[in-house]
Amino acid sequence: AQTVTQSQPEMSVQEAETVTLSCTYDTSENNYYLFWYKQPPSRQMILVIRQEAYKQQNATENRFSVNFQKAAKSFSLKISDSQLGDTAMYFCAFVLIQGAQKLVFGQGTRLTINP
Amino acid sequence: DVKVTQSSRYLVKRTGEKVFLECVQDMDHENMFWYRQDPGLGLRLIYFSYDVKMKEKGDIPEGYSVSREKKERFSLILESASTNQTSMYLCASLPSTGSNQPQHFGDGTRLSIL
Repeated sequence: AQTVTQSQPEMSVQEAETVTLSCTYDTSENNYYLFWYKQPPSRQMILVIRQEAYKQQNATENRFSVNFQKAAKSFSLKISDSQLGDTAMYFCAFVLIQGAQKLVFGQGTRLTINP
Repeated sequence: DVKVTQSSRYLVKRTGEKVFLECVQDMDHENMFWYRQDPGLGLRLIYFSYDVKMKEKGDIPEGYSVSREKKERFSLILESASTNQTSMYLCASLPSTGSNQPQHFGDGTRLSIL
């Protein structure tokens, strides 16, 4: 079975700082996708960034980037120039390419950006 | 844009009641999911469906059932609600075109069982 672990329940940084959220996962499979989702206080879960396991290049979306270390099974999210609107719960998630498309989520990290 | 609509944002029910949570998506997605979200536990999959009238158990199906009579609608049923089912419930949908696509989530229903 696949598991996803986020070891930081809460984090807090000042606006404009850079912050890194950690995620590790465990699987014996080789073909999968990894995601970071964001859940603001308004509650709707939205996709931040995704990474295909077969790609060595780290995904980047504007101020958001990942550090994907496949051998270490690590998938951290870096937020540069953090903004007040980045305040949210962040969830790391994993899905196998083959089979039922079931996401496995981590426990979540509550990120607060302070003015 | 995909819209996933959950019928209630807040719901209060009593122990032993039969509770229905409704979810509708407007993008003709084949796959639909029900999760519950609890602090420190993240999201856990209750049930999912990959086609009309098809359903599969997720990781925590006990005490729940589902119904998918139409493609756009996926209902979660608490047969006899208990206090340990107090939680946030999230519905999601996904096209069958590939697991690299993001799931689209509803706003969630915060359910309290008294």
